[in-house]
Parts: sequence; structure tokens; C-alpha cells
Amino acid sequence: DARVTQTPRHKVTEMGQEVTMRCQPILGHNTVFWYRQTMMQGLELLAYFRNRAPLDDSGMPKDRFSAEMPDATLATLKIQPSEPRDSAVYFCASGLDEGDYEQYFGPGTRLTVT
Amino acid sequence: AQTVTQSQPEMSVQEAETVTLSCTYDTSESNYYLFWYKQPPSRQMILVIRQEAYKQQNATENRFSVNFQKAAKSFSLKISDSQLGDTAMYFCAFGLYSGGGADGLTFGKGTHLIIQP
Repeated sequence: DARVTQTPRHKVTEMGQEVTMRCQPILGHNTVFWYRQTMMQGLELLAYFRNRAPLDDSGMPKDRFSAEMPDATLATLKIQPSEPRDSAVYFCASGLDEGDYEQYFGPGTRLTVT
Repeated sequence: AQTVTQSQPEMSVQEAETVTLSCTYDTSESNYYLFWYKQPPSRQMILVIRQEAYKQQNATENRFSVNFQKAAKSFSLKISDSQLGDTAMYFCAFGLYSGGGADGLTFGKGTHLIIQP
């Protein structure tokens, strides 16, 4: 069945290293969202795209985070340089811009920055 | 900006009992959806139920139903005949939509629901 895929599922890296997380939305979905989940802040929206165009990235630290959609089947979230406070689970979700507006979540990437 | 408040950090009930999770939200918008998501230990976010704000009728999905009070900005989730598999974090979420589509969701802090055997 159709589902959102995210890679890697787990990532451990040292402070200062670049981290790239990838998301493959459900085929045909034209809206992609990035969320971050931490114990302290809960689930937060980082950025989202519609038809590959960025609509809102106000939730993202601009100096170190960047989000892109090189094509309709791939969304990326990069952190450079990474810091321990970036440790979190990062979720990608996809959906359609019509109908019930349901967002389908991927399994998440658990990032640990030491 | 929208806010979502879940006032119960944790709840515990016996199997087969009925439990209600509370959620309130604040918005000045009129076109929006409300959602309840379940997150089991696997971390996967699973949609439980959705409610369109323009619909007066409360949504139901099998054992799950909501009590949507638009004027009070309240959106509670009732789980009937609770099962061990219902043990999970439950998140209430708010989403705006317009002619261009849906915006990102605003989540509450979550309620950890434990179903005791």
C-alpha cells in the first residue's frame, strides 16, 4: 500500500557534521510537510511545500536548516552544522491540497547529535 | 497563531472502559479541520479521526467518536470499549485550509493513554 518513506530511520552524528534526511511522499501527493518532535517542544511544523514550492519555513532555524524538493518524489531536510539541540525525531508527511486534507506521516528519522 | 491545549498529560483506565481525552484550541479562523492522531511506541503517527469545522455532526469511527463544540472551541475524543492496543500517545491537531489547500498542523502536547488489563 502507498506510504511515505523516510531515510535514514536512525542517525547518530557528531556536533558540527552535516545531516541530510530524505522523504519520498506518496505518489500523487502534492503537499509535503516537515515536523520535528522533541520531549520539550512536542510536535512542531518546520516547513512545507505545495507543488514543490516552499510555502512556509518560519518554523525552521534559518541559519542551519534548509529544506528542498528537488523533484516531486523527493524532499530533503538538511542541517549544517548540526548541534546537540537538534536531536529529535523528524517526520515527513504528505497530502493533497483538496478533499479531506489528511496528512500521511512517514515513520520518522531519529537524529542524535553528540 | 493557533494554539492547541491538551490538559491531561496522562490517563489510565481499565480495559473495556470508556475514556474521554480533552482538547481545546484557539483560533480566529473559520475554515479549519481538527484531528486526533495516535502515536504508539513504534512512533508511527496514525490518524484516528477528523472533524471538519463546518460540519455540526460529530465524527465517529467505530469505537472512536468526538464531541466537537465549536463555540467553546473544544474537541474531545471518546474511546469506547477500550482495548490494550489503544495504549499510546494521543495528539490533538488543528489545521487551516483555504482555496489553495491545507496548511501545516498545530499539535497539542499530547495525552499518554494507558489501558490496564
